[in-house]
Amino acid sequence: SQTIHQWPATLVQPVGSPLSLECTVEGTSNPNLYWYRQAAGRGLQLLFYSVGIGQISSEVPQNLSASRPQDRQFILSSKKLLLSDSGFYLCAWGKLETQYFGPGTRLLVL
Amino acid sequence: GESVGLHLPTLSVQEGDNSIINCAYSNSASDYFIWYKQESGKGPQFIIDIRSNMDKRQGQRVTVLLNKTVKHLSLQIAATQPGDSAVYFCAEIRGGSYIPTFGRGTSLIVHP
Repeated sequence: SQTIHQWPATLVQPVGSPLSLECTVEGTSNPNLYWYRQAAGRGLQLLFYSVGIGQISSEVPQNLSASRPQDRQFILSSKKLLLSDSGFYLCAWGKLETQYFGPGTRLLVL
Repeated sequence: GESVGLHLPTLSVQEGDNSIINCAYSNSASDYFIWYKQESGKGPQFIIDIRSNMDKRQGQRVTVLLNKTVKHLSLQIAATQPGDSAVYFCAEIRGGSYIPTFGRGTSLIVHP
């Protein structure tokens, strides 16, 4: 069966510091991979998606970036965090239309 | 897309009652729909899906109804339990796309 991992589960970072969130998927090959952000009490905002290694599509211009160095690894990064980057970050994988979400990383930027 | 507004719609029910959560979708070209359940502090969990060539699909204690005429989707939960308390999201996907559009979510509160 397929599983998706995200780490860390919780992160507190100062403004201006860098960010690296990692997501890995097991039990499938060549999945579509997605990064979402969810503000408190709100829906899901798609940030990036990838259909293959090195292929990244950005949905929202901002100070975040994503990379896919391996087939089942998706990384969300920032060089300098802003206060507004705080939120719940969710990675998801998909085959065809259905997406399956990871446990999420709660990021607090102070 | 992202929700607008700060407060999610809320549905409060008593344990044992049936719950109906509604979702209006926007794109008449959408042909695949999913319901997700998100418990506090966790990622959304797939519950059930339905394709546009169906108008009803049943799972364990859950039923999804699709009305394409009015672009309406509903999730029915039978004999609601406290463990069903969560935020429920619908998602619509246009044929050929791998990018879903999520609804704003509904908070279900089940009182014992």
